Amino acid sequence: EAQVTQNPRYLITVTGKKLTVTCSQNMNHEYMSWYRQDPGLGLRQIYYSMNVEVTDKGDVPEGYKVSRKEKRNFPLILESPSPNQTSLYFCASSLNGNQETQYFGPGTRLLVL
Amino acid sequence: KNEVEQSPQNLTAQEGEFITINCSYSVGISALHWLQQHPGGGIVSLFMLSSGKKKHGRLIATINIQEKHSSLHITASHPRDSAVYICAVYRGAQKLVFGQGTRLTINP
Repeated sequence: EAQVTQNPRYLITVTGKKLTVTCSQNMNHEYMSWYRQDPGLGLRQIYYSMNVEVTDKGDVPEGYKVSRKEKRNFPLILESPSPNQTSLYFCASSLNGNQETQYFGPGTRLLVL
Repeated sequence: KNEVEQSPQNLTAQEGEFITINCSYSVGISALHWLQQHPGGGIVSLFMLSSGKKKHGRLIATINIQEKHSSLHITASHPRDSAVYICAVYRGAQKLVFGQGTRLTINP
């Protein structure tokens, strides 16, 4: 089954404790992206990747890192999480990003205390 | 002012009614995306549009590039259509900018 998976689905952590949210897709998509969703602000793009070793900032990249060492995986790294990073995070992928349909993961709900 | 504005923010209707959700944008775009977010949080792509009109089942999406406006219509609405509908535009080839969403509730 074609899908985008994220882990963990739920995470409670404390300020400053490094964490990684994994994202994996099995559709051989070149484009992958991370978004956060907050009440009143909607979805906002954090980072995206056009292919292996090619990443670029979205609208809200501060406090986040990404890497794209393999085509299928695009982890989101919070080196020193802060409470303002409490949010619902979505990973998505598409064939090549050029106005293609995006397929979303199930979301990761993060609470930073 | 947001680059992508949706209206209404909330919409409640009775089963069977014709539903229209509007999306206006202020930037030049290459394509527009309609998404559906279920109460459980999952997001599904409904349509990708760069011109004209698309139909899938009871859903119809239209876009007017000159007026920078798109609409999503639902015919013969059903309680299972209750969800948040999100408009998103491609600013350039890779960057996606989202509207705030429209929360639709269809009562039996």
